This record gives sequence, structure tokens and C-alpha cells, in this order.
Amino acid sequence: AQSVTQLDSQVPVFEEAPVELRCNYSSSVSVYLFWYVQYPNQGLQLLLKYLSGSTLVKGINGFEAEFNKSQTSFHLRKPSVHISDTAEYFCAVKDSSYTLIFGSGTRLLVRP
Amino acid sequence: GAGVSQSPSNKVTEKGKDVELRCDPISGHTALYWYRQSLGQGLEFLIYFQGNSAPDKSGLPSDRFSAERTGGSVSTLTIQRTQQEDSAVYLCASSLTREGAEAFFGQGTRLTVV
Repeated sequence: AQSVTQLDSQVPVFEEAPVELRCNYSSSVSVYLFWYVQYPNQGLQLLLKYLSGSTLVKGINGFEAEFNKSQTSFHLRKPSVHISDTAEYFCAVKDSSYTLIFGSGTRLLVRP
Repeated sequence: GAGVSQSPSNKVTEKGKDVELRCDPISGHTALYWYRQSLGQGLEFLIYFQGNSAPDKSGLPSDRFSAERTGGSVSTLTIQRTQQEDSAVYLCASSLTREGAEAFFGQGTRLTVV
């Protein structure tokens, strides 16, 4: 069965610093990859997704992610974070079973 | 409706009672997912529907949990003989297709078993 690993449960970072949130998945076959964000007391919303084509995907709010098939990774990056980026970030994978599986989440804490 | 709607938004029930949680997906969305999110935890997959069929129900934690979907639309998640460990936020999501389309989430039902 597919699994998703987000090794960092919490990532503290200072405002305007760069950040990378890590995501690894188990399957090496064709997959669809997603990053979702959950702001405090709000529902989940899509940040970006990879379906095919260019391995570098750009999303909303200045976030981007890179698909690396050989390392089965889909790490999320932002060159300069804001206080408003403080939230929980979830990586998700869908393979040929079409079940959408989520990682355990990474809490991004941006400090002034 | 414009988005995924879940009802009730909050439910407090006594241990041992049965509860039904409802999800109204976005019209025309063929795929529907149920997840459970415990306090401070990630999203635990429960079940996936494609149309009215459930190709993957591997995430249902016990036989006390069941779900159905009718008319390719509304879905109901039923928990029988609720236990305190069932307390969580239950989230529903739908997507236009089963492939790479974005999944849209409802606001969830917060279930508290006392």
C-alpha cells in the first residue's frame, strides 16, 4: 500500500528566511502528487500539484515543489516566508489505486 | 452547492450510541473520500468512493464503521456503538475525477464521544 512520509513534524523559521518541507512516498510507479495547507481553524486547500511534465511545479502564495522520481520525493519550498505562512502542510499521493493518501503533516511556524 | 458540505458540524454523543455523518459533494464530482483527523494529527484515510462503489475501504478502523454513497452524490458515514477513541474531526472530500483532479474538502464534522 502507498505511504507518505513527512519526517519533520514541526519546522520553525524566521520571517523572510527560505524553507523546505520534506515529503517522501513509497511507490515508484506513476503517481499524482499534491501539497495541501491547513491554516488555523480552517479547512484544507490545495497549494500545488504534480500530474506530469515539468518536475518543478509552482503553486499559490509563492510556493513551489520539485518531483524527484529516483528519490521518490516531492519537497515543498519557499524562498522567503511570511508570518501568514504559519500553518499545517500536508503532502498527499495518489497512485493507480486512485486512493488519496496523506502524510502526517508538518507544522510551519514562522517567527518575526 | 458551491463546495463540499458536511453535517452536522459538531456532534456530541454518548458512548455506545450510533452516529451518522453526512457529506454532500460538489455536484458532478465522481470521487469521494472520507478521512479522520485526530487532534494535532494527520489525515487518516477511511474510504474512497468512485460513483456509488467503494474500491478501497481498507482504512475503516473496525466493523463498527461503514459508509455508503447513493445516486453518485450524498455519502453517509455511520459509526455504531461509538467509543471515546472515535472522537475526532471527520473530513469529506470530493474530486471531479479519480485521476489528478484536485480534491476539495468540507469543513468537517467534529465528533465528541462522552
